[in-house]
Amino acid sequence: QQQVKQSPQSLIVQKGGISIINCAYENTAFDYFPWYQQFPGKGPALLIAIRPDVSEKKEGRFTISFNKSAKQFSLHIMDSQPGDSATYFCAARGGSARQLTFGSGTQLTVLP
Amino acid sequence: KAGVTQTPRYLIKTRGQQVTLSCSPISGHRSVSWYQQTPGQGLQFLFEYFSETQRNKGNFPGRFSGRQFSNSRSEMNVSTLELGDSALYLCASSLAGSVGGHGYTFGSGTRLTVV
Repeated sequence: QQQVKQSPQSLIVQKGGISIINCAYENTAFDYFPWYQQFPGKGPALLIAIRPDVSEKKEGRFTISFNKSAKQFSLHIMDSQPGDSATYFCAARGGSARQLTFGSGTQLTVLP
Repeated sequence: KAGVTQTPRYLIKTRGQQVTLSCSPISGHRSVSWYQQTPGQGLQFLFEYFSETQRNKGNFPGRFSGRQFSNSRSEMNVSTLELGDSALYLCASSLAGSVGGHGYTFGSGTRLTVV
C-alpha cells in the first residue's frame, strides 16, 4: 500500500516536444506529491509539487496534473529541451511515518 | 547559503568491514533523513533524525544505524558490509516538520562500493 508506481521507465523526446511521466499510488493517506529531477552525480532536486486538493499546478514549462479519484498524477514538460535530460522521480508523502515514498524513476532523453 | 554536504563522495570497502558516512545539513535545518539509492530498488528511506532523536525508520536491517549530533550533523553507519550494500547513500535535510516539503534538500550523496 506504500508503493508509488511510475511509468515509463525511459522516455525519448524530440526537442520542443512534450514529455509526460505518470505515477499511480494506493495509499489514500498520502497528502503531498513532489516531483524530483536528478542529474548524474547529483542528488534529487525538487522540481514541482502538488497537494491533493488541487487538480493542476504549473510552474514554467512544468505542470503536474492530479486525479484524486483515480489516484494518479503526472508530470508534463512542455517544450522539452536537451537540458531537461535527467532522471525524474515522482514521490508521495504521508502515512504513519511521513517519509517520502519514491517511484522507480524515468530516464528522460531530449534529442536536439 | 551552503547546501547539504555529504562526505566522502566515494568510498570502496571490503565485505565484512564497516563504514561511516557523514552529512552536514543546511544551516538551521534540524531534520536529517537518509535514503539508499540503487538501480534495482530505487530510492528507499533509511531513517530520519530530528534534534538528535531518531524519528522514523525504514525497513532495513539493524546493520544500518545512524545518529545526529547537537549541531544537527548526522552520521550513518553500516556494519558487516555486504555486496548488496553498494549504493548511493543520500542525505536530505529539512526544517522541523517539513519532511518532503519545499524545505527538503538532498545532498549529492556518497557512492559506496563494496568489493
